[in-house]
Amino acid sequence: GAGVSQSPRYKVAKRGQDVALRCDPISGHVSLFWYQQALGQGPEFLTYFQNEAQLDKSGLPSDRFFAERPEGSVSTLKIQRTQQEDSAVYLCASSLAQGLTYEQYFGPGTRLTVT
Amino acid sequence: KQEVTQIPAALSVPEGENLVLNCSFTDSAIYNLQWFRQDPGKGLTSLLLIQSSQREQTSGRLNASLDKSSGRSTLYIAASQPGDSATYLCAVRGGSEKLVFGKGTKLTVNP
Repeated sequence: GAGVSQSPRYKVAKRGQDVALRCDPISGHVSLFWYQQALGQGPEFLTYFQNEAQLDKSGLPSDRFFAERPEGSVSTLKIQRTQQEDSAVYLCASSLAQGLTYEQYFGPGTRLTVT
Repeated sequence: KQEVTQIPAALSVPEGENLVLNCSFTDSAIYNLQWFRQDPGKGLTSLLLIQSSQREQTSGRLNASLDKSSGRSTLYIAASQPGDSATYLCAVRGGSEKLVFGKGTKLTVNP
């Protein structure tokens, strides 16, 4: 079946612009995660949803970052007034249910470059 | 705060060699540990997941071990092939849903 998909795959934004990154999880997956991966680094947790509820947003680096999942399926990560330090690959993952047993499946990521 | 370290940062080997990648973590109270592969421009592919109660997991030419008390895991790759060239990431899950990743080991297998 289809895996996690993300769009766009590449995004170039001028500093100060707003961007929106989309994640389509695997159908039926309850949990959805966003991670940020800077060049040469491992992914770092941003936020986590169970259905439409955002249960953990402790990793969001500033109030310019906002994530939503209004119908418990597709999620959007929005970054306002982008800065150069926001340049990174943004990875989305989904898992079948909440719980430490369930494996996270990752999408291909969106590479954001802020110029 | 959990920290995950991977050594070496990069490794280059000739085809056919057996190799070991290392991962260490500071907080031994983990639920499981996972090894991923990341190819350039691609997402993460899960290779092996070891629950905290397990000592090792095997899949084909890959074997991952876990020593939770010492905070260490190794990924053993037998008879390496050029197609194994990628970045290998180690991630641990503690009491929360999030994964904590190391920075990865970039492996190059030369024909």
